Amino acid sequence: DSGVTQTPKHLITATGQRVTLRCSPRSGDLSVYWYQQSLDQGLQFLIQYYNGEERAKGNILERFSAQQFPDLHSELNLSSLELGDSALYFCASSVEWSGGSTGELFFGEGSRLTVL
Amino acid sequence: AQKITQTQPGMFVQEKEAVTLDCTYDTSDQSYGLFWYKQPSSGEMIFLIYQGSYDEQNATEGRYSLNFQKARKSANLVISASQLGDSAMYFCAMRELYNFNKFYFGSGTKLNVKP
Repeated sequence: DSGVTQTPKHLITATGQRVTLRCSPRSGDLSVYWYQQSLDQGLQFLIQYYNGEERAKGNILERFSAQQFPDLHSELNLSSLELGDSALYFCASSVEWSGGSTGELFFGEGSRLTVL
Repeated sequence: AQKITQTQPGMFVQEKEAVTLDCTYDTSDQSYGLFWYKQPSSGEMIFLIYQGSYDEQNATEGRYSLNFQKARKSANLVISASQLGDSAMYFCAMRELYNFNKFYFGSGTKLNVKP
């Protein structure tokens, strides 16, 4: 158990709909990262937060948005869903890395989104 | 330019043999970390091994070792005595200390261990 909790684990919805994926980071971790993994593909970086502030953005579509709340949990909102949005969405958390420790990302189990 | 390059989309190895998964990286940061993750068919991401940019010795964790060649910017993963349970997707990743702690992943190598 990584300590990162993602809900829901599975989600099936229709094109044009909107969904919200939720992530609770490990206790004490201030950084949250979101990744998208389409079938048999690598991890595409979407967005990164640190202590409630957006820190870096990847190839995140305008239809997607995210935020990190004061209690450090994060939500990824996906709207006007298309078939191609079907993927496994990972949330990961870590401490703010200063180089002195390993600084690995701890991943949740992912939210598998299927758009029909 | 790609930050992390994994040139082997798929590999086969015989059980009990050693295998090397290639990874090259691109950064101008002096302080960075290199990581390998394993993703079995069940989907979870499992952290395997870490190498810091200032570490002079190659990292080892059980049957995993990281062959770090800083001048060549390569961070190959070596798995010794392969087991059937090693069949999975393997991702190389890098974290840049002075670039907002960004964390980049390669495209992955799918390893199949043959009995």
